[in-house]
This record gives sequence, C-alpha cells and structure tokens, in this order.
Amino acid sequence: EAQVTQNPRYLITVTGKKLTVTCSQNMNHEYMSWYRQDPGLGLRQIYYSMNVEVTDKGDVPEGYKVSRKEKRNFPLILESPSPNQTSLYFCASRRGQGAINTEAFFGQGTRLTVV
Amino acid sequence: GENVEQHPSTLSVQEGDSAVIKCTYSDSASNYFPWYKQELGKGPQLIIDIRSNVGEKKDQRIAVTLNKTAKHFSLHITETQPEDSAVYFCAASQRNTPLVFGKGTRLSVIA
Repeated sequence: EAQVTQNPRYLITVTGKKLTVTCSQNMNHEYMSWYRQDPGLGLRQIYYSMNVEVTDKGDVPEGYKVSRKEKRNFPLILESPSPNQTSLYFCASRRGQGAINTEAFFGQGTRLTVV
Repeated sequence: GENVEQHPSTLSVQEGDSAVIKCTYSDSASNYFPWYKQELGKGPQLIIDIRSNVGEKKDQRIAVTLNKTAKHFSLHITETQPEDSAVYFCAASQRNTPLVFGKGTRLSVIA
C-alpha cells in the first residue's frame, strides 16, 4: 500500500530537549516536504526536498532542521524546541523531477506539544 | 511568491444542498490547482485537481472551475452528505515550486 508514515503520532516534550520526527515514503517519490498546521493559519511549509541531499527552506523554517540522506526518508529535527513550535506536523511526498505538478500524499500527522 | 486566499473559513449547509468554496491566487504563472480534504485526525487527501489548460473538471458530486483571467478557482460540492463534513484546502503551484495552500474551510453538513 502506497503511504507516508510519520512517527511518533503524538509527542509531549520539554523546552530545549532535542527531538526528531521521522517520515518515510514507499512510493519512490523525489519530492518530500514538511508542513505545520495551526488553527486559522492553514498548512505552512517548513522545509522541502526535491531529491537526495537537496533541501530548501519553506515559509517557516526557523527552529527546524531536515536531512535527506536517502530517497525514502525525510526526518524533521527540532534542536531546541520551544512552546511556539507546539503544532500539528505533516510530512508529504510527491513524484517530482519534471512531473512536479502531481498529487501530494500526506502522512497521518504528528501532534507535538512543547511545555 | 505565490499567495492563496480561501473563503469562507467556515461553511454550514443542510444535507442535500450545494457547497461552494472559493480561492484566489496571486502568481499568474501558477498552473496546477489541487483541492484536499482533511477528515478529523487524518492527513489531507487529494479529492480533485485542475490544470491551467482546463476550465472545469467534474468527478461525481465534486467539480472545480478555474478562471485564469481573474486568478480564481472554486470547489463545488452538490447533494452534500454528512460524510462531506471536513476541512477543505485549496492550493496552487507552478512547475518545480512547492504547493502553496489556502488557510482552509471547515465544512459542516447538517443532517
């Protein structure tokens, strides 16, 4: 089954404690991205990657890091989480490289609370 | 960069009525306009999309229209059912650029 898998689904952490949210896709998609969803603000892109070892900032990259060492994985790293990063996070993947205007497949989401 | 405005932010309709959600975009180079449905506790899922060389597209009770001159596109849901209740997002992009989403519309279908 084609899917994007995020882990964990729920996470409560304390300010300053480094964390990683994993994302994996099994569709051999080139394009992967991270979004955060906040009430009234919709889906805002944090970082995206058009292929292995290629990453770019989205609209709200401050406080986040990503890496794309393998095609299937695109982890989101919060080096020093703060309460304003409390949000619902989604990973998404799309077929890319010349066919960029294609369906984006989303993971189930990770609800992060930073206290 | 691209900016997508979506209205209304909330919409309540009676079961069986139609629902219309409208979006405007700013970048005339955008050529791909998908609509996503997000059910409670799930990630957004594509329900229909349209490309700039097409003015209208239908899939059963769902249709999308695009007006390139005015830079707006709309989602039409006919004969609404309770299972249509969800948050709907429009988005726009051009080749090799990320999807830019509207802020979403929470649709409630009242039985």
